[in-house]
Amino acid sequence: AQKVTQAQTEISVVEKEDVTLDCVYETRDTTYYLFWYKQPPSGELVFLIRRNSFDEQNEISGRYSWNFQKSTSSFNFTITASQVVDSAVYFCALTRFRGSEKLVFGKGTKLTVNP
Amino acid sequence: DTGVSQNPRHKITKRGQNVTFRCDPISEHNRLYWYRQTLGQGPEFLTYFQNEAQLEKSRLLSDRFSAERPKGSFSTLEIQRTEQGDSAMYLCASSLVVWDRSSNTGELFFGEGSRLTVL
Repeated sequence: AQKVTQAQTEISVVEKEDVTLDCVYETRDTTYYLFWYKQPPSGELVFLIRRNSFDEQNEISGRYSWNFQKSTSSFNFTITASQVVDSAVYFCALTRFRGSEKLVFGKGTKLTVNP
Repeated sequence: DTGVSQNPRHKITKRGQNVTFRCDPISEHNRLYWYRQTLGQGPEFLTYFQNEAQLEKSRLLSDRFSAERPKGSFSTLEIQRTEQGDSAMYLCASSLVVWDRSSNTGELFFGEGSRLTVL
């Protein structure tokens, strides 16, 4: 069975602080995809990144960066110099490489960035 | 707006009534998904379609739930004899999956959801 754990339920930071959102996953599959989605107050989930299990390179996109470590089954997400607009619920998700695109989501981390 | 559209956005109903939600995906997308999200939880997969074929259903989808995508475009999710436990946000998503797997991004495009409250 697949499982995603986001142990941080809520995080509150002050603008311009760096913040890291943790994600730990469990799967018996040797190949799989990991995702991060953002859910702002409007409710619409927005895709941020996909990483496949063969690619352990870290990725940076502007103020966002992701650290994938297979050894610890973690896929952490860091926002550098946070802004108020980053306030949202962030979900980590997992899917099998060959199978449906059914995503298994974690419970999410609510990030509040205060001015 | 060319994104995923869901209607109605909010529905309040009494226990025992039937409700139907509609999802209009991004027009060129061949896959359509339904998820359910309760307060404080991540979305849970319900079912998905490849064109008009329903390819997978979760065990969460009891006999009271039925989803259709008759012409491979829009989809409906009907809940019969609603129960209070059905209260949730019902999310629809779509994606384009091509046979060249290396080209698939795996990105799902979500709608804003339909919130159901069962009294």
